[in-house]
Amino acid sequence: KAGVTQTPRYLIKTRGQQVTLSCSPISGHRSVSWYQQTPGQGLQFLFEYFSETQRNKGNFPGRFSGRQFSNSRSEMNVSTLELGDSALYLCASSLESSGGINEQFFGPGTRLTVL
Amino acid sequence: GNSVTQMEGPVTLSEEAFLTINCTYTATGYPSLFWYVQYPGEGLQLLLKATKADDKGSNKGFEATYRKETTSFHLEKGSVQVSDSAVYFCALSDQTTGKLIFGQGTTLQVKP
Repeated sequence: KAGVTQTPRYLIKTRGQQVTLSCSPISGHRSVSWYQQTPGQGLQFLFEYFSETQRNKGNFPGRFSGRQFSNSRSEMNVSTLELGDSALYLCASSLESSGGINEQFFGPGTRLTVL
Repeated sequence: GNSVTQMEGPVTLSEEAFLTINCTYTATGYPSLFWYVQYPGEGLQLLLKATKADDKGSNKGFEATYRKETTSFHLEKGSVQVSDSAVYFCALSDQTTGKLIFGQGTTLQVKP
């Protein structure tokens, strides 16, 4: 089975621009979560989508948004980029989102640099 | 709220040394616990997991036991290799939302 794929792997943008990142989950996985990883804040949960609906959201401003398509592929969008948005954005998929056991499989990430 | 605390790194060991990376958690209920590993330039890989108290997760020589009385999930390996050099993350799965809450990560460097 193919793993979680993310595109692009690297991205350079300037302040004020917007960016869209893409994630394709493992076949059959319906839950997709996004995380931001920075040296200062570590790994922080952005949001989770399940069956095209946002199920959970972390503490990020409204500039961060996402969506999920009927084939479970997901995109996240960041508008009006700030320098502090430079990070590794990780996508993870799992069979379903529910309390307790939630084994998530991560993609390689998209490295976003904001200049 | 739920949180995970890991020992700060970096941890530097010689090959074949014994490894312990401490992890403690704060959570309501009975979360599942995980160790993930991140190699340079890559995403996270699940190393092992435990879903209830006294469970022992193990994989590739690594082990961790879910200790509810001490709210801990320490990672151990009897004999590390240079190839184990990576960043290790302890995490718990929030029972309400299912989201993963991570510790800050511990960098392990193994020297030949």
